[in-house]
Amino acid sequence: QQPVQSPQAVILREGEDAVINCSSSKALYSVHWYRQKHGEAPVFLMILLKGGEQKGHDKISASFNEKKQQSSLYLTASQLSYSGTYFCGTAAYSGAGSYQLTFGKGTKLSVIP
Amino acid sequence: EADIYQTPRYLVIGTGKKITLECSQTMGHDKMYWYQQDPGMELHLIHYSYGVNSTEKGDLSSESTVSRIRTEHFPLTLESARPSHTSQYLCASSTIRGLAGRHYIDEQFFGPGTRLTVL
Repeated sequence: QQPVQSPQAVILREGEDAVINCSSSKALYSVHWYRQKHGEAPVFLMILLKGGEQKGHDKISASFNEKKQQSSLYLTASQLSYSGTYFCGTAAYSGAGSYQLTFGKGTKLSVIP
Repeated sequence: EADIYQTPRYLVIGTGKKITLECSQTMGHDKMYWYQQDPGMELHLIHYSYGVNSTEKGDLSSESTVSRIRTEHFPLTLESARPSHTSQYLCASSTIRGLAGRHYIDEQFFGPGTRLTVL
């Protein structure tokens, strides 16, 4: 099943914070976050594994609550360069020793001056 | 430099034509994928491959076919293009790598995409 992302879209002023959520109904092995700028291909941001870990990438960090099958992406002190569509991808066991990655519908983030 | 390439970047073609979208990666990745994405919309997995001679259909039904004869090459073919095929097609590759001896991660690298318009 496709993970559910919220919100669908958010507009921020430079310097403001935002949280993007991703939830799944399936037991997850890992959660992946990607950012796609307009007209470009998605770019990998980070991956979170089972174990409830948190990770950071500059001022972008994420958490993974495996009990709730949820992940959140935190953007602090947003910059204009953060604008884009953020996709979460959830990896669940798909049988025969492999994991299938399924992407959410994306959250469109716009940072304005 | 290891990378993933797609050609052509843009293609405008008439209905009924046969087309092949090329995807090549130089990273030695086992797994490769094709996604279809309309502007500003979600990514739909249409085909994937876990290695040479392995191909599977994805979540979104597609009239396209793929082949994987070489590790680095994963072309997508449309036998008879239709206006409903107009979209962006993204190729990606990944490999499983171990982490701390327990976990395995699978990071996907995307190509630049092919924007297809069928008239």
